[in-house]
Amino acid sequence: NAGVTQTPKFRILKIGQSMTLQCTQDMNHNYMYWYRQDPGMGLKLIYYSVGAGITDKGEVPNGYNVSRSTTEDFPLRLELAAPSQTSVYFCASSYRTGADTQYFGPGTRLTVL
Amino acid sequence: GQNIDQPTEMTATEGAIVQINCTYQTSGFNGLFWYQQHAGEAPTFLSYNVLDGLEEKGRFSSFLSRSKGYSYLLLKELQMKDSASYLCAVQGAGNVLTFGGGTRLMVKP
Repeated sequence: NAGVTQTPKFRILKIGQSMTLQCTQDMNHNYMYWYRQDPGMGLKLIYYSVGAGITDKGEVPNGYNVSRSTTEDFPLRLELAAPSQTSVYFCASSYRTGADTQYFGPGTRLTVL
Repeated sequence: GQNIDQPTEMTATEGAIVQINCTYQTSGFNGLFWYQQHAGEAPTFLSYNVLDGLEEKGRFSSFLSRSKGYSYLLLKELQMKDSASYLCAVQGAGNVLTFGGGTRLMVKP
């Protein structure tokens, strides 16, 4: 199993540009999550999904959109990038709730200039 | 709302024991996780507590007191490779995790 994969690893955007961060998991997990981590800080939840076709907002959803058309994929869309969106973005997945831990992808380092 | 506090930085000596504390005030509680995160890498799972008490896993142990909103991670026989950030996360509804700011641990020879 590859686990959770994310592309791209690095990206530089100009203010106002848009992009999609890709996330795929091959563990047949129902739950998927997007977090952002600013330097020296903890992770903040952007959006999450409990299954295909179902998404919900997390703590910091403004400026982002998601979709979940399949169990495997959970892309994150940035519209009109702003410098405040400079961060490291982590995708994660888990099978169920409770003691099932979340498995994290390697992250995407995004800089908006 | 959710509020999770942990110290920003700690320093310890190789071979010693260190305790990283986490206090939380949350609107819902379904468990508490500890993750380790090396610089530039993704978080990896260390421990999970849902009942009061101590969970031991090799050199690492984690303790939970739900009535006090308190947890700690205990690292024994510290090694240089233990230098990392340690993230406390409280699990709420929908398996949603709320993370603390993380504690950066520096292990010195």
